[in-house]
Amino acid sequence: AQSVTQLGSHVSVSEGALVLLRCNYSSSVPPYLFWYVQYPNQGLQLLLKYTTGATLVKGINGFEAEFKKSETSFHLTKPSAHMSDAAEYFCAVDFNKFYFGSGTKLNVKP
Amino acid sequence: DVKVTQSSRYLVKRTGEKVFLECVQDMDHENMFWYRQDPGLGLRLIYFSYDVKMKEKGDIPEGYSVSREKKERFSLILESASTNQTSMYLCASKTSGSREQFFGPGTRLTVL
Repeated sequence: AQSVTQLGSHVSVSEGALVLLRCNYSSSVPPYLFWYVQYPNQGLQLLLKYTTGATLVKGINGFEAEFKKSETSFHLTKPSAHMSDAAEYFCAVDFNKFYFGSGTKLNVKP
Repeated sequence: DVKVTQSSRYLVKRTGEKVFLECVQDMDHENMFWYRQDPGLGLRLIYFSYDVKMKEKGDIPEGYSVSREKKERFSLILESASTNQTSMYLCASKTSGSREQFFGPGTRLTVL
């Protein structure tokens, strides 16, 4: 069965620090990859997606992610955290069916 | 912009009640999905539909049913609500030609 692993259910960074949220998937075939963000008591909003082409994908709010086939990873980064980035982040892969990771809650300290 | 709306943001029901959760999308999407979200478990697929009157079971269909009588509307039904169905329920939709799913705001259901 396919799976998506997000390392770290909670990540805490200081405002202005680098944000790194990790996502690994299990598949020998490159899937379609997504990062979604969920603010408290809201639905999921697409941050960015990888389908084909350039492996470094830029999304909204200054986030980006790099698809590394050899590492089966799609880690999410942002150079400088802002207080408004505090939310829960979900990695998802599409193997003709969506599989979601268990989520990572990002806390940003002033 | 794609809009997916859900009938209630918060819902409190009693054990044994029949519960209807409604989802409507306004972009003529063929595919619609119901997920439940629980802490530490991410999103799990309950049911999905790829066309009117068509439905497929997801990973956790037990205790749920669905109805899709019109293309824009996808209903999730809890025939006899139980406390272990207390959760956040998210509806999503997408067009057949795309991989991206669009999500509604969610319904937080509490079963007492």
